[in-house]
Amino acid sequence: GQQLNQSPQSMFIQEGEDVSMNCTSSSIFNTWLWYKQDPGEGPVLLIALYKAGELTSNGRLTAQFGITRKDSFLNISASIPSDVGIYFCAGSNSGGSNYKLTFGKGTLLTVNP
Amino acid sequence: EPEVTQTPSHQVTQMGQEVILRCVPISNHLYFYWYRQILGQKVEFLVSFYNNEISEKSEIFDDQFSVERPDGSNFTLKIRSTKLEDSAMYFCASRRTGAAIEQYFGPGTRLTVT
Repeated sequence: GQQLNQSPQSMFIQEGEDVSMNCTSSSIFNTWLWYKQDPGEGPVLLIALYKAGELTSNGRLTAQFGITRKDSFLNISASIPSDVGIYFCAGSNSGGSNYKLTFGKGTLLTVNP
Repeated sequence: EPEVTQTPSHQVTQMGQEVILRCVPISNHLYFYWYRQILGQKVEFLVSFYNNEISEKSEIFDDQFSVERPDGSNFTLKIRSTKLEDSAMYFCASRRTGAAIEQYFGPGTRLTVT
């Protein structure tokens, strides 16, 4: 099946720093989504990207859908302690409007106050 | 804000027993999903459901698994005879329409098979 590679696997940053993480695939996805997961909780949707080249912001978060449709990145500006968590990218293809999600393995973000 | 809810939050069962995990999707959503996440691993797709039938299922979703929408609000996942390797977090998700890609996840049910 399709595989998503997320990097880095983990990041340790100081509060106030900017963060960048990305996701690459060997095959094309028609849509990309970014989720954040806290321990013991369900994934929370951050940003949905509908088309190649799209750049979308949600507060301090910005995500882009790569023009080749094989990658996406997520930036977090001016990090705060509550940004701690695991960030997952997920890709989907619209076969039959099913939109099942294929997830990456996640980037663990730690923010030191 | 509407959200997906799941019960129970934690289920402990013995190997070979049947379990039913329950979900209430967001009320005006039409597409429903189950995913699972083994501890420390990525989230994996199990099954999608639309218009009262399964639209796609993964290799994980074998004959021991079934889904049902018994009424207008609930969506259930049944595991007929649980195995140790079924221990995982199970997440329900829902999506509003065919054109909307956003999937909203519930808080999950932690299933422990002993």
